[in-house]
Amino acid sequence: AQSVTQLGSHVSVSEGALVLLRCNYSSSVPPYLFWYVQYPNQGLQLLLKYTSAATLVKGINGFEAEFKKSETSFHLTKPSAHMSDAAEYFCAVSGGTGANNLFFGTGTRLTVIP
Amino acid sequence: EADIYQTPRYLVIGTGKKITLECSQTMGHDKMYWYQQDPGMELHLIHYSYGVNSTEKGDLSSESTVSRIRTEHFPLTLESARPSHTSQYLCASSEGSGADTQYFGPGTRLTVL
Repeated sequence: AQSVTQLGSHVSVSEGALVLLRCNYSSSVPPYLFWYVQYPNQGLQLLLKYTSAATLVKGINGFEAEFKKSETSFHLTKPSAHMSDAAEYFCAVSGGTGANNLFFGTGTRLTVIP
Repeated sequence: EADIYQTPRYLVIGTGKKITLECSQTMGHDKMYWYQQDPGMELHLIHYSYGVNSTEKGDLSSESTVSRIRTEHFPLTLESARPSHTSQYLCASSEGSGADTQYFGPGTRLTVL
C-alpha cells in the first residue's frame, strides 16, 4: 500500500526566503513520486516527478525535490520564494508500473509574505 | 499545456436533482480519472477508466456513476444529489499509468442545498 504524509498544512515564508515543503511516503514497491501545485479555482499542475532516475529532480518555476530512500522523503524546495508561489502544494505517490492510482497527501498551503 | 476541460465550473442545485459533470480531453489519452477533493483533505480517486467501455471504481466509495463511450469524454453522473455530495470534483487523464503524468482539469465545485 502507498501513502503520503505532508508535514505542515500551512507554511509561511518571506519573499526571497527558502521554501521547504515536507513530504514523507510509504510504499511497498519502488515508488514514483510527484509534486503538484494548485492555484485558487484551478486544477492541479505538475511541478516535478521522480521516476527512479536521478534522485535530485528539477521542476518548473525553480522548484526541485530530492528523493531520499533512507528517509522515505521527497521534500520540495525553492531557494528564493516569489509572491506568485503562493498556492496549495500536493505530494503524491504512485504504486509503480501498471498502478492506476495516485495517493495524495492533504496538501500544504504556502503563503508568501512581502 | 494540458487540454482537459470540465463543465460546469460551479454548480449549485437542490436535493434530489440529477446532474452530470462533463469532462473531455483532446490529448488522446486512454486513461481517465475522477477525484473528489474536500478542503484540507486528500484527493480521493472515485472512478477511473482504461479506455472506451472500461470503467472501474476507485478507493473512495461514491454514489456517482461514469461512462466512457468515447476516448475523449468521461462524464460523471449523480442520479439524485444530496448535500453530502457537496465537494470539488477533479477530472484527470494520462497516457499510461505508474510514472505517467496525470493532467488535471480545472474542477467542478458542486454545492447541493
